[in-house]
Amino acid sequence: QVQLQESGPRLVRPSETLSLTCTVSGGSINSFYWTWIRQPPGQGLEWIGYISYSGSTKYNPSLKTRVTMSVDTSKNQVSLKVTSVSAADTAVYYCARGAVPGVVGWLDPWGQGTLVTVSS
Amino acid sequence: DIVMTQSPDSLAVSLGERATINCKSSQNLLYRSNNKNYLAWYQQKPGQSPKLLIYWASTRESGVPDRFSGSGSGTDFTLTISSLQAEDVAVYYCQQYYDTPYTFGQGTKLQI
Repeated sequence: QVQLQESGPRLVRPSETLSLTCTVSGGSINSFYWTWIRQPPGQGLEWIGYISYSGSTKYNPSLKTRVTMSVDTSKNQVSLKVTSVSAADTAVYYCARGAVPGVVGWLDPWGQGTLVTVSS
Repeated sequence: DIVMTQSPDSLAVSLGERATINCKSSQNLLYRSNNKNYLAWYQQKPGQSPKLLIYWASTRESGVPDRFSGSGSGTDFTLTISSLQAEDVAVYYCQQYYDTPYTFGQGTKLQI
């Protein structure tokens, strides 16, 4: 059974860079698309973007200038970086897998999520 | 961006009764070439990550109880829980994957 685990600093200073890693266990990164989603406390879900196993990406235009995703197939990890963060970037960050190989649309499974707080 | 609007924002239903959640998209989600609606439904229980319930608007994910069903086409979609169980208390989200950015509805909180 594939499991996803997000990890990274829980507290980030304003204007700095948020960096998270999603480690995939019980399955391979290959053939799948990997999506990042965030959820501000008490709010709804925001799609950040996706990366394929081969490294092609698509980002939400609202975040495009600040977001970078990468994939490391040797470590079975995908990564997310968000630069120049502000309090508005405080959220639970989830990684999720495209449910079907080669298809990016619907997402399953999801990681448990990690709360990142932006504060000085 | 495609805007997804759910109704109602919250809903209280008695155990054993039917619950109906609506989702309306600002653009057509039906792709004519394959006659599929690019819409999914997720369930998020308190303190948990979202769980996939339905994709292609009406295809139930493996392991999801058959009391959950999805319907609709084009711009109007519905998630129905035929007989509410206590474990169904959650927030439900629709998501379009027709065009990026893939957007979610604002969520519907289902209570007993």
